Amino acid sequence: EVHLLESGGGLVQPGGSLRLSCAASGFTFSKYAMSWVRQTPGKGLEWVSGMTHSGTNTFYADSVKGRFTISRDTSNNTLFLQMNSLRVEDTAIYFCAKSPVDYCSSPRCFYFDSWGQGALVSVSS
Amino acid sequence: DIQLTQSPSFVSASVGDRVTITCRASQGISNFFAWYQQKAGKAPKFLIYVASTLQNGVSSRFSGGGSGTEFTLTISSLQPEDSATYYCQQLSTYLTFGGGTKVEVK
Repeated sequence: EVHLLESGGGLVQPGGSLRLSCAASGFTFSKYAMSWVRQTPGKGLEWVSGMTHSGTNTFYADSVKGRFTISRDTSNNTLFLQMNSLRVEDTAIYFCAKSPVDYCSSPRCFYFDSWGQGALVSVSS
Repeated sequence: DIQLTQSPSFVSASVGDRVTITCRASQGISNFFAWYQQKAGKAPKFLIYVASTLQNGVSSRFSGGGSGTEFTLTISSLQPEDSATYYCQQLSTYLTFGGGTKVEVK
């Protein structure tokens, strides 16, 4: 059974940094593209960033480009999201999500058959 | 950016009713399209991809259709456990989600 567990959320001041982790189990992590998707009450679901199975290609929403960095540690089956220069509007629940398509290197595979339970990130002074 | 507009934003229906949710894209997206169900306090659940293919294990009460700019999610016979918010997603040009449709079972 696929299991995704996020950690690293918390309260941070505007301009601060936070690093989210997503521990994956129950599947061959290196075969699948992974993404981060966030959710706020006011704006619903928003895709944040994705990475292809090999880690070669990364993609970002315009709202986070230049501030967030996605990465993966295949040896430890973990996905990361480094978030810098955080803004109040980055406040959200952040979900780690898995693509169902193996060995896909296109954002057109960034639909998600498994999700974590989410990590809350609050940006406030 | 491709915008997705879901309608209605809220629907209240009775057990056994047929419910249809529509998602309209601001430009053509072929069938690069998916639907999710989210219950309160939970992560989204994957329902349908490439517009009409049901994910394994999803009830056959759910069906998807459409292509181009208009897509539908239909629940053929609404059940109490279908109470949730439903989201559409396009994958044609990067990714965007619709604003959601809350389905209430009377």
